[in-house]
Amino acid sequence: DSGVTQTPKHLITATGQRVTLRCSPRSGDLSVYWYQQSLDQGLQFLIQYYNGEERAKGNILERFSAQQFPDLHSELNLSSLELGDSALYFCASSVAVYPQVDTQYFGPGTRLTVL
Amino acid sequence: DAKTTQPNSMESNEEEPVHLPCNHSTISGTDYIHWYRQLPSQGPEYVIHGLTSNVNNRMASLAIAEDRKSSTLILHRATLRDAAVYYCILRVQGAQKLVFGQGTRLTINP
Repeated sequence: DSGVTQTPKHLITATGQRVTLRCSPRSGDLSVYWYQQSLDQGLQFLIQYYNGEERAKGNILERFSAQQFPDLHSELNLSSLELGDSALYFCASSVAVYPQVDTQYFGPGTRLTVL
Repeated sequence: DAKTTQPNSMESNEEEPVHLPCNHSTISGTDYIHWYRQLPSQGPEYVIHGLTSNVNNRMASLAIAEDRKSSTLILHRATLRDAAVYYCILRVQGAQKLVFGQGTRLTINP
């Protein structure tokens, strides 16, 4: 158990819909990262928040957005869903004091299926 | 993004050592080498990291070539639980994200 929790575990929805994925970081970790894992693209970094502020952006679509709340939990919002958005979405957290050496702890993921 | 090259798959037997190679010929002097693994149906987990010297921890050892253009993750006595995809990742200065390649799928035979 990494200490990172993600809800829900599974999500099935239809094209055009909007969903929210939730992540609670490990106690004491200020930074939250979101990654997407699909069969064709592998694991890809989407976005990072540090203590409520956006810190880095990766291959995140404009239809996707995220935020980190004062209690440090984070939500990833996916809207106007397409079939190609079906994937595993992982959240990770770290203390992010020394980026090159800090460990990222991953949650169990949310499996999103868009029908 | 800094690039690494790993074999797509490897196979080994239980209780034998496993050497997982990684090439990173374009590594710069400040890039750290990290290894993560992803067990089936789980999120990735940290294994080990190093800069220049060889490193050991309870999970594995990391052997880094003198020119740093390659490294090897060593599992000293593989168990069935070590079957996973292993990712070799370069952490560049200033970048907090992890850049995952295709990794090596390790199969352990009983």
